[in-house]
Amino acid sequence: SQKIEQNSEALNIQEGKTATLTCNYTNYSPAYLQWYRQDPGRGPVFLLLIRENEKEKRKERLKVTFDTTLKQSLFHITASQPADSATYLCALGLPHAGKSTFGDGTTLTVKP
Amino acid sequence: NAGVTQTPKFQVLKTGQSMTLQCAQDMNHEYMSWYRQDPGMGLRLIHYSVGAGITDQGEVPNGYNVSRSTTEDFPLRLLSAAPSQTSVYFCASSQAQGENSNQPQHFGDGTRLSIL
Repeated sequence: SQKIEQNSEALNIQEGKTATLTCNYTNYSPAYLQWYRQDPGRGPVFLLLIRENEKEKRKERLKVTFDTTLKQSLFHITASQPADSATYLCALGLPHAGKSTFGDGTTLTVKP
Repeated sequence: NAGVTQTPKFQVLKTGQSMTLQCAQDMNHEYMSWYRQDPGMGLRLIHYSVGAGITDQGEVPNGYNVSRSTTEDFPLRLLSAAPSQTSVYFCASSQAQGENSNQPQHFGDGTRLSIL
């Protein structure tokens, strides 16, 4: 069966360091992968999308990689700040499917 | 633009009661979805729609019904509430996802539902 795993439930890092979150999948051939941020009591907010033919995508302090051979995406936040503390979700999708499959999320805490 | 609006924000039901969770979007998005999120878990797809008049089941559809009579609205109905349906429910919408353009989903802030 299809499975999506995010590296850990919780990740604690010091302010200024780079946070790296992992999303692994099995029995799936996604056309694209998305990363979302979710704050307590709020809905997820879209951050970045990377397609299967793209190796890397950047947006300000965020970087996403997508390795279809390893079936893995890495999500990096450089120069992390306490305001980056949140839960980050990865989602996989297929073209024309109209739906996405989400991982369980990783809760990042950035300590000052 | 209001984006995706969900009502109510909170609801407590007794086992066996029925209710409808409302979801409306003002972005003219074709795709809409309902997810549930349980503590410490990701989002699980309940039902989704790729356009008015078209709906399909997701991963956990049992106990829920949907309809899509307009582009803007996508209500979720609980037929006979059970304690296992205690959860936070999120509605999302996105533009149609073509072969080479994969659109992000826009989420509402959820309905927190407790079944006693």
